[in-house]
Amino acid sequence: EVQLLESGGGLGQPGGSLRLSCAASGFTFSTYAMSWVRQAPGKGLEWVSSINAGSSATYYANSVKGRFTISRDNSKNALYLQMNSLRAEDTAVYYCAKHWDCWGQGTLVTVSS
Amino acid sequence: QSVLTQPPSASGTPGQRVTISCSGSSSNVGVGTVNWYQHLPGTAPKLLIYNSNQRPSGVPDRFSGSKSGTSASLAIGGLQSEDEADYYCATWDDSLKGHVFGTGTKVTVL
Repeated sequence: EVQLLESGGGLGQPGGSLRLSCAASGFTFSTYAMSWVRQAPGKGLEWVSSINAGSSATYYANSVKGRFTISRDNSKNALYLQMNSLRAEDTAVYYCAKHWDCWGQGTLVTVSS
Repeated sequence: QSVLTQPPSASGTPGQRVTISCSGSSSNVGVGTVNWYQHLPGTAPKLLIYNSNQRPSGVPDRFSGSKSGTSASLAIGGLQSEDEADYYCATWDDSLKGHVFGTGTKVTVL
């Protein structure tokens, strides 16, 4: 059974940093592109970032470019999102997704002083 | 602001057919395939349709997708109470060099 389990969410300070992790199991992680998608309170789904299977290509939404970094460790079946220079508008539930048929339950990030 | 436009809401009585549109452009829907997701707040989004009209195993055949030009549609036939959820279309945008989601449609079963 495919499982994706996000962690690392919580309260972050404006201008601060958080690192999200996504633990994958039940499939050959190293052969799939992965993404992060978020949903702010009362808003729709917003794509954040994607990475290909071998980490040679990464993509970012304009809203996070230059502040967030996506990475993966295929030896650990793990996906990461390093979030720097946090803003209030980054407050959201963050989901990791296996392109594009399986998603995790999400982890809540709240940016507030 | 999303580049894929969906109606904010749709509704129907049990057994009715509901259709949700997804309007894009030549840089996204017009050149690629569309996925559709069902989402209940607090839960993992569920893939309903991929490649514009394909259903993953386990998705009832009353869910169907289509695409024509720069627009796509999701149809829910034989509406059931458990279909009350938010629905999103999604695809890749060649101009933005990123994935895009639709604005979302809330389906209500009356």
